[in-house]
Amino acid sequence: EPEVTQTPSHQVTQMGQEVILRCVPISNHLYFYWYRQILGQKVEFLVSFYNNEISEKSEIFDDQFSVERPDGSNFTLKIRSTKLEDSAMYFCASRGPGPLGRTIYFGEGSWLTVV
Amino acid sequence: EDKVVQSPLSLVVHEGDTVTLNCSYEVTNFRSLLWYKQEKKAPTFLFMLTSSGIEKKSGRLSSILDKKELFSILNITATQTGDSAIYLCAVEARSNFGNEKLTFGTGTRLTIIP
Repeated sequence: EPEVTQTPSHQVTQMGQEVILRCVPISNHLYFYWYRQILGQKVEFLVSFYNNEISEKSEIFDDQFSVERPDGSNFTLKIRSTKLEDSAMYFCASRGPGPLGRTIYFGEGSWLTVV
Repeated sequence: EDKVVQSPLSLVVHEGDTVTLNCSYEVTNFRSLLWYKQEKKAPTFLFMLTSSGIEKKSGRLSSILDKKELFSILNITATQTGDSAIYLCAVEARSNFGNEKLTFGTGTRLTIIP
């Protein structure tokens, strides 16, 4: 079964450093998402991306965050200057085209620890 | 603001028991309700429900949606230790900007005792 893949699986970074989390969505999917889950809390929406631009973002997704689809396969989340409260599991997700592609599939997640 | 509430928050049962997990929601522009199972990392897809009253079934798991009363249940019969996980309910809604996003509940942590 096709799957969403994410790298790295775990990253430890110092506060103030930039991090880039990478995702390879399922190949024929057109809608891409980033969600995060702080330890012990619910999964939260960050941003959705379609047709090479952000279609929606949450209040969490401030100027420190950016997303990019630099080529035909990768979808990245960049955090410019990490804060302690950015420590969380970051999930990439993708969805196919049309009404039959409504199921959203999640990657295994990238666990970010900011120290 | 869209809300998804799951109950119970935690459930411990013996292997072989049947469990019912609940999810209620308040969203604008409802599109679908999804159930996911989260073990160690990624939520893995279980069901997507869009129509009221139609039960979806996969092995020992089944789910149904009531769009009038705004809730869904997930049933697991003859539970096994491998069913131990957090079960997440998420509602997909169309925003004012015409985009769709998921709002998750806090999850139900299910523990199956051998």
